[in-house]
Amino acid sequence: DAGITQSPRYKITETGRQVTLMCHQTWSHSYMFWYRQDLGHGLRLIYYSAAADITDKGEVPDGYVVSRSKTENFPLTLESATRSQTSVYFCASSPDSGGKDTQYFGPGTRLTVL
Amino acid sequence: AQSVTQPDIHITVSEGASLELRCNYSYGATPYLFWYVQSPGQGLQLLLKYFSGDTLVQGIKGFEAEFKRSQSSFNLRKPSVHWSDAAEYFCAVGARIGGSTLGRLYFGRGTQLTVWP
Repeated sequence: DAGITQSPRYKITETGRQVTLMCHQTWSHSYMFWYRQDLGHGLRLIYYSAAADITDKGEVPDGYVVSRSKTENFPLTLESATRSQTSVYFCASSPDSGGKDTQYFGPGTRLTVL
Repeated sequence: AQSVTQPDIHITVSEGASLELRCNYSYGATPYLFWYVQSPGQGLQLLLKYFSGDTLVQGIKGFEAEFKRSQSSFNLRKPSVHWSDAAEYFCAVGARIGGSTLGRLYFGRGTQLTVWP
């Protein structure tokens, strides 16, 4: 039972490079989310998706792009990485929405932008 | 607008002591409330959640939380802390996104718990 996985777990990149963080879940959950976690800010929502091919912005979407061609995958792309995007990124999934369903989190990707 | 406040950034307790982590929320409707725990280097794991009914909610690992509507609070408690409880704890409120049926979680900034042996 793999659950929800993220890759890579650690990534170091340089300013201006494109980076893609992968997220895969095996539960066939409809809803998926990307968060970033920064000291003093808790978790902030970047993007979310209600189903394949349905995505929308969260509270900090600038500089990020998502896609969801398959239900189980929800990659997050930093089109041109900046130092301010150094963070820990968490992917989560949920069987339903409405704000009342448990979200299941991946182990996170620690991204450093030099 | 919905928000969650965890007033304590860092709490230190001795092993075996009782614990209470505070959480206050702001939300116009009936809230869905959650507590998550994050161990070092790990993702978040659900401890417990409140939707309706009994205002005292039991969770995993011996934790409980009490919903107090009059105080807009959802404090997490444990009667006797174990060294393995050292982690970061996040309170969250679930809310709809705009006028849609979609929902999301709004997280507090977290409380770091240190446990002294």
